[in-house]
Amino acid sequence: NAGVTQTPKFQVLKTGQSMTLQCAQDMNHNSMYWYRQDPGMGLRLIYYSASEGTTDKGEVPNGYNVSRLNKREFSLRLESAAPSQTSVYFCASSVGTRGQPQHFGDGTRLSIL
Amino acid sequence: ILNVEQSPQSLHVQEGDSTNFTCSFPSSNFYALHWYRWETAKSPEALFVMTLNGDEKKKGRISATLNTKEGYSYLYIKGSQPEDSATYLCASGSNDYKLSFGAGTTVTVRA
Repeated sequence: NAGVTQTPKFQVLKTGQSMTLQCAQDMNHNSMYWYRQDPGMGLRLIYYSASEGTTDKGEVPNGYNVSRLNKREFSLRLESAAPSQTSVYFCASSVGTRGQPQHFGDGTRLSIL
Repeated sequence: ILNVEQSPQSLHVQEGDSTNFTCSFPSSNFYALHWYRWETAKSPEALFVMTLNGDEKKKGRISATLNTKEGYSYLYIKGSQPEDSATYLCASGSNDYKLSFGAGTTVTVRA
């Protein structure tokens, strides 16, 4: 059982390049999330999708866009990468949004030069 | 955006000893408190979700309590083992759909 799968695992970009991070879950979960992890800080929510067809901003949405392609897939796009977006990105999913544990992917380590 | 704080930032414990650490969160608009265990080179794994004041949850040697009135939760590890070494994250959910995470407590168990 794969759970939450993120691709790619590592990526190096140049400032101004664009990139889409992919996330897919096979647990039939309704809700999906994108977080970033920076040293010394907790996971910060970028965007989330409470259910298929809906997306909403989290704590740090600037510079990102998302697409909930279907129930399984939730992608995160950087239109014009900036060095401040160097981070580890985690995708997560849950059955519902309130009071449900989240299941995380293995993360994507993104470096922007 | 909720201000979730965890203390201490890190701790070292001898194998066999018990330990505990704290998560504090704003008590207004509280909905749920999550604990996750995050081992190096792996992804965070859910331990507990608690919603009611006074809730206590247990999983093996790890347990957690919740006080929503004063805005804190304790995580306890009884008889620590080397495999308990990890970063433990707490996250508070309010009446919207968002979780706010603390920075974590990193536990190192020395054999």
